[in-house]
Amino acid sequence: NAGVTQTPKFQVLKTGQSMTLQCAQDMNHNSMYWYRQDPGMGLRLIYYSASEGTTDKGEVPNGYNVSRLNKREFSLRLESAAPSQTSVYFCASTRQGDHGNQPQHFGDGTRLSIL
Amino acid sequence: GDSVTQMEGPVTLSEEAFLTINCTYTATGYPSLFWYVQYPGEGLQLLLKATKADDKGSNKGFEATYRKETTSFHLEKGSVQVSDSAVYFCALTHTNAGKSTFGDGTTLTVKP
Repeated sequence: NAGVTQTPKFQVLKTGQSMTLQCAQDMNHNSMYWYRQDPGMGLRLIYYSASEGTTDKGEVPNGYNVSRLNKREFSLRLESAAPSQTSVYFCASTRQGDHGNQPQHFGDGTRLSIL
Repeated sequence: GDSVTQMEGPVTLSEEAFLTINCTYTATGYPSLFWYVQYPGEGLQLLLKATKADDKGSNKGFEATYRKETTSFHLEKGSVQVSDSAVYFCALTHTNAGKSTFGDGTTLTVKP
């Protein structure tokens, strides 16, 4: 049981380059999330998808786009990378709805450096 | 809006010491409360949870009680081990809200 899988695990980009971070979950969860984690700032929500076909902005959406490709996959795209986007990115998923408040399940992160 | 405040770290303890990490929250209604743990190089993983007032969550020797009167969910462990060294996050979720609110995390280092 893989849980939440993120690819790649590490990436170095030059300013202005674009890339897509991939996330897939195999737990049949309906909700998925993208966070960034920076030293001293905890987790900040970038975008989330409460269910397949919907996406919403989180706390820090500028410079990012997302696609909920299907129920399993939720990708995060940086169109023109900036050094301020150097961070560790985490994808998470959970089962929302009438099942009560379930915890989020996290991937192991993508460590992204932008030069 | 909702918010979660954790005690600032880092916290450094000797092995077998008693641990308390404070967490207080601001929220309307009756959220569920969670503690997550993050080991170096990994994502967050659920440590314990409580879904209603006076519930006690427990796991791996850690405990936390949902105190609505003080809006708190403090994490405790009677005797920490070196392997407990990690970052601990307090979080809350409202039913069907679609997203959670996380504290900033508290780094715990346990020395042998």
